[in-house]
Amino acid sequence: DIQMTQFPSSLSASVGDRVTITCQASQDISNHLTWFQQRPGQAPTLLVYDASTLYKGDPSRFSASGSGTVFTLTISSLQPEDIATYYCQQFDDDHLTFGGGTKVQIK
Amino acid sequence: QVQVVESGGGVVQPGRSLRLSCAASGFTFNIYGMHWVRQAPGKGLEWVAVTSYDGSTAYYADSLKGRFTISRDNSRNTIYLQMNSLRAEDTAVYYCAKGSAYYRVIDYWGQGTLVTVSS
Repeated sequence: DIQMTQFPSSLSASVGDRVTITCQASQDISNHLTWFQQRPGQAPTLLVYDASTLYKGDPSRFSASGSGTVFTLTISSLQPEDIATYYCQQFDDDHLTFGGGTKVQIK
Repeated sequence: QVQVVESGGGVVQPGRSLRLSCAASGFTFNIYGMHWVRQAPGKGLEWVAVTSYDGSTAYYADSLKGRFTISRDNSRNTIYLQMNSLRAEDTAVYYCAKGSAYYRVIDYWGQGTLVTVSS
């Protein structure tokens, strides 16, 4: 299976800060990557697909990039409602795998 | 609007079986692949299985070692997860999730159902 590694596993930042999360794949997955947001006590929701395409309705302060093995998710100006755990997930093959998650907190 | 509602969770003894259901509405069910994903308490997400739009193809996480079976009934807009030989480590919230136009991309999740494996 393709292994997905996320870092950091958690971070604490102030409202308005720029936040970047990195996801690394164990092999080339082209742009076959999604990002999910999971707020505390809730189900995950789709944030980004195809590595860089923001899902409908998601705020423009979120952006994502990458291809091959290294991907990033950036929040340009952290807001209180962004408190969540963020997961990357590859869909390059039929055995989907998730990263371990990055928990984002407000300092 | 898209809705998927899981049911069938509960407390089950180790070694026993349990079947989860997921009822879908708000979209044309029989043209989308559907997934199960689980999350152990306080842990991350783990993909479990996917069924193709017509149920003819399914893929599973290697870690399940053939104990779980995903299926669907398009006449009932429902998918199922048959879980056999349950272990304590199968304790988790099980989410049903809808595939997008490309079935491997999950675009909508249910609220999940909790399965607790304990004697």
